[in-house]
Amino acid sequence: AQSVTQLDSQVPVFEEAPVELRCNYSSSVSVYLFWYVQYPNQGLQLLLKYLSGSTLVKGINGFEAEFNKSQTSFHLRKPSVHISDTAEYFCAVSPMDSSYKLIFGSGTRLLVRP
Amino acid sequence: ETGVTQTPRHLVMGMTNKKSLKCEQHLGHNAMYWYKQSAKKPLELMFVYSLEERVENNSVPSRFSPECPNSSHLFLHLHTLQPEDSALYLCASSQDWTGTLYNEQFFGPGTRLTVL
Repeated sequence: AQSVTQLDSQVPVFEEAPVELRCNYSSSVSVYLFWYVQYPNQGLQLLLKYLSGSTLVKGINGFEAEFNKSQTSFHLRKPSVHISDTAEYFCAVSPMDSSYKLIFGSGTRLLVRP
Repeated sequence: ETGVTQTPRHLVMGMTNKKSLKCEQHLGHNAMYWYKQSAKKPLELMFVYSLEERVENNSVPSRFSPECPNSSHLFLHLHTLQPEDSALYLCASSQDWTGTLYNEQFFGPGTRLTVL
């Protein structure tokens, strides 16, 4: 079985400051890893994914994440946030042997202040 | 219309009502999914359909009844719901449903359901 932990339910940050949203997972099998973003009144949009290869992955809107297998983490980072980055961010994993199953964390609300 | 659309966007119903949620994907995909997003809880996968055949049912109560008449449309029929069923119901689609090959899921905006 798999589980995903996002310890921070809300992260307030000032505009143009860097941000890191934390994600840890546990799984008995190898997994793919994802970050999704949900803007108010919208569905989920894929921000970035790790399938294989380089452990540092770049996504849309200037976000990047690093897969750390030994620490079972996949933290999301952005060097300088904008007001428009205010949204809910979800980390998710899917087991490689049943990749259609997305197991989500409970989400982190990023609140960017001017 | 593009992507994945869902109607209605908001729905309020009593516990004795019968209603249906509709999802339509305009991406030519073969697999469709229903998820439930409750407050303070992770998204939960409810059902998966591949080429109109149900391939996954995650122990969902029978008061939720899915229907997939073709690969573009997915319905969720609701009857005798409970207040704890109030949530955002998200639909998604992917090119295919496979065990090991990655297929990106594209999500609709959701239907916000309130059960009184």
